[in-house]
Amino acid sequence: LAKTTQPVSMDSYEGQEVNITCSHNNIATNDYITWYQQFPSQGPRFIIQGYKTKVTNEVASLFIPADRKSSTLSLPRVSLSDTAVYYCLVGDPGSARQLTFGSGTQLTVLP
Amino acid sequence: GAVVSQHPSRVICKSGTSVKIECRSLDFQATTMFWYRQFPKQSLMLMATSNEGSKATYEQGVEKDKFLINHASLTLSTLTVTSAHPEDSSFYICSARGLANYNEQFFGPGTRLTVL
Repeated sequence: LAKTTQPVSMDSYEGQEVNITCSHNNIATNDYITWYQQFPSQGPRFIIQGYKTKVTNEVASLFIPADRKSSTLSLPRVSLSDTAVYYCLVGDPGSARQLTFGSGTQLTVLP
Repeated sequence: GAVVSQHPSRVICKSGTSVKIECRSLDFQATTMFWYRQFPKQSLMLMATSNEGSKATYEQGVEKDKFLINHASLTLSTLTVTSAHPEDSSFYICSARGLANYNEQFFGPGTRLTVL
């Protein structure tokens, strides 16, 4: 399973764009990159998933360079409610094996 | 999106007793369900993977006789913590994956277990 490395924590201010980068040097051909958000005492919530280039949905964008050894989650104009832990996971969705959670990034949005 | 529920949301029990936690997929059939444990300020750790109708696959270091998992139907999986001890106190989270949404996992809200 591909191991991921993320910053332990990040601070930002309301209204700013936040970019969280994840390194996954040994990503495999069939692996997708998935990001989850978790609030205290809640289960993780799916944010976005991608395989290559750029994916955008109503809450975030995911940028994946051509070598796929890293990815960047971009949150536009964050608010206080975006304070949470963000996890980057790498794995093959078609595999029976479960994705492995890394240590995550604690994002704190300040007023 | 698909919804996964857990019951109870929080439970307090005495040391030595057993506790059952239910995980249900409310609007889809979950061919595979996963059980995680999360200690304070730590990441989620996978405990076991269960497929409907077959025995669960446990991760290394997880005692299968202590954490009994049953996945008897496509919408329900249960985790029973047997002879619970204070060190079993944790946040237990399940997730489910179905045939129609195989690229995505849906997580339950978690169950806070406190063993006195």
